[in-house]
Amino acid sequence: GQNIDQPTEMTATEGAIVQINCTYQTSGFNGLFWYQQHAGEAPTFLSYNVLDGLEEKGRFSSFLSRSKGYSYLLLKELQMKDSASYLCAVRDLGTALIFGKGTTLSVSS
Amino acid sequence: SQTIHQWPATLVQPVGSPLSLECTVEGTSNPNLYWYRQAAGRGLQLLFYSVGIGQISSEVPQNLSASRPQDRQFILSSKKLLLSDSGFYLCAWMGYDKNYGYTFGSGTRLTVV
Repeated sequence: GQNIDQPTEMTATEGAIVQINCTYQTSGFNGLFWYQQHAGEAPTFLSYNVLDGLEEKGRFSSFLSRSKGYSYLLLKELQMKDSASYLCAVRDLGTALIFGKGTTLSVSS
Repeated sequence: SQTIHQWPATLVQPVGSPLSLECTVEGTSNPNLYWYRQAAGRGLQLLFYSVGIGQISSEVPQNLSASRPQDRQFILSSKKLLLSDSGFYLCAWMGYDKNYGYTFGSGTRLTVV
């Protein structure tokens, strides 16, 4: 079956670093995506990994290990505006994405 | 440039009433289109996807249906809404660069009362 797991909630303070983990079990694998979703809004694209390793994009980085079925999203120099839900999604054999339930991150001052 | 439009933004409907949500894409042709639902405490659930006019694949059997009458139009419908149909409905488009994943419409917040 298809299963994507990520923590439900996380808290952190401004300026800190936070790592959001995602583990997946899918029938196939053709890429892993991270999206950010603010309350009441549509998700927006953050990162994409298809090969093992780290992809860095400004304050955000994403890591993938295909053999372990594992990814993480690393957020550095946290800001209040980073308070949002972070969605891990896997593209299996087709083009559709399978999403985890999301991790709600609360950043406090 | 490519854009995706979804409406209405919010909707309150009584149980048993019909539903029609529309999604249109501009600036592209033959897009892959998707309908997702996000219920409280749950992740994004894929409902339908379409790779072309008249081609609909259903992922979850329920009282919803989808249609693609035109290349850039994707419609989600129901003949009789249930309370459990409440949620945040999102239309998504897979762009030319599949490494980018989806571009989402702004969503429709549906409350069935």
